[in-house]
Amino acid sequence: GAVVSQHPSWVICKSGTSVKIECRSLDFQATTMFWYRQFPKQSLMLMATSNEGSKATYEQGVEKDKFLINHASLTLSTLTVTSAHPEDSSFYICSARVPREVSYEQYFGPGTRLTVT
Amino acid sequence: QKEVEQDPGPLSVPEGAIVSLNCTYSNSAFQYFMWYRQYSRKGPELLMYTYSSGNKEDGRFTAQVDKSSKYISLFIRDSQPSDSATYLCAVSRQLTFGSGTQLTVLP
Repeated sequence: GAVVSQHPSWVICKSGTSVKIECRSLDFQATTMFWYRQFPKQSLMLMATSNEGSKATYEQGVEKDKFLINHASLTLSTLTVTSAHPEDSSFYICSARVPREVSYEQYFGPGTRLTVT
Repeated sequence: QKEVEQDPGPLSVPEGAIVSLNCTYSNSAFQYFMWYRQYSRKGPELLMYTYSSGNKEDGRFTAQVDKSSKYISLFIRDSQPSDSATYLCAVSRQLTFGSGTQLTVLP
């Protein structure tokens, strides 16, 4: 299967600072990447869809000015949590869609655990 | 009504048991059905996918879709302790996830 990496795997930051999380597709080019958030013992909540070369599409209730998404290349998307607060502490997971004509295959990164103190 | 409903469990079975995991969905237009496995503190891993109705088998895993009742299932035969994880169903290309079922296989 396709491989998606994330960096860092965990990060602790102070309240008010910004944190950048990288998502890379290692062995394929992904025109579409997705960012999810997951709270303990809960399912994945889609935050935004990121398309290479265009603005991300955010889900209802997700602050686009707080969660900045950039998809600058076919293998890299970044999520920046700006002015982080303790309530932003969560597990952030990206995924990338394999670009096929009829594609439903999404492969997930290992996740980034963010703790804001 | 949620688009996908999944029994959260937790489900605990002895090693070797047959496990049945289930989801129901609301939109009859959905055509893609996936099962993901997620170990603690890891990203989900695609286990199986099916398109439209029918069964699909891969080793000890069988995915089943019944579009008439909008019901999808994942069966695990000869369950192993290494199968202990949270199993998430997902429907459609947009991947609407169920809440996940936490499975523990006891040695």
